[in-house]
Amino acid sequence: GEDVEQSLFLSVREGDSSVINCTYTDSSSTYLYWYKQEPGAGLQLLTYIFSNMDMKQDQRLTVLLNKKDKHLSLRIADTQTGDSAIYFCAESMGDKIIFGKGTRLHILP
Amino acid sequence: ETGVTQSPTHLIKTRGQQVTLRCSSQSGHNTVSWYQQALGQGPQFIFQYYREEENGRGNFPPRFSGLQFPNYSSELNVNALELDDSALYLCASSSNQGVGTTDTQYFGPGTRLTVL
Repeated sequence: GEDVEQSLFLSVREGDSSVINCTYTDSSSTYLYWYKQEPGAGLQLLTYIFSNMDMKQDQRLTVLLNKKDKHLSLRIADTQTGDSAIYFCAESMGDKIIFGKGTRLHILP
Repeated sequence: ETGVTQSPTHLIKTRGQQVTLRCSSQSGHNTVSWYQQALGQGPQFIFQYYREEENGRGNFPPRFSGLQFPNYSSELNVNALELDDSALYLCASSSNQGVGTTDTQYFGPGTRLTVL
């Protein structure tokens, strides 16, 4: 079936690292994505990783992919108040993208 | 390079009415996908248009229909609106290489539809 699972909430202190985890079901997915959604806004593509990669780093963002366990994670280093948003994990499946329900990241002062 | 734009930003309709939402794809993109995002949920795939034809469809009834124009812009039409159709409707554009493929999708800001 089509299912992307992620925890619903995460609270992190400003300056700490945030790690958002996700599991997916389709082992044939070509791309795995992380999107960010701020209140009242559309989806912003943060980063993506090809399924034949294990890791991708882009400034404060690090994506880790464990294809055997179908586990994807997003690490945000030095979390800032501007990182407060909902983060969606997603996998490509043919002509569509399957999204998780999103993880709401709350930043503590 | 212009991004994905959608209109209108907000819309209020009553049950049974029909609605048309519009999307202009990002410059250089030939494919448009539509998603429905209910409150507190992730986006759900409605359908995709490539070369003016439907290229794939999610689990939505036929009263959800679409069009793609030669300039790659697109419309989403919903007939016989129901209360559960209240949601944020997101359009995404991409540059696909062929039927059944997908490239990275870039999203517009969405249209928030409220059905009373």
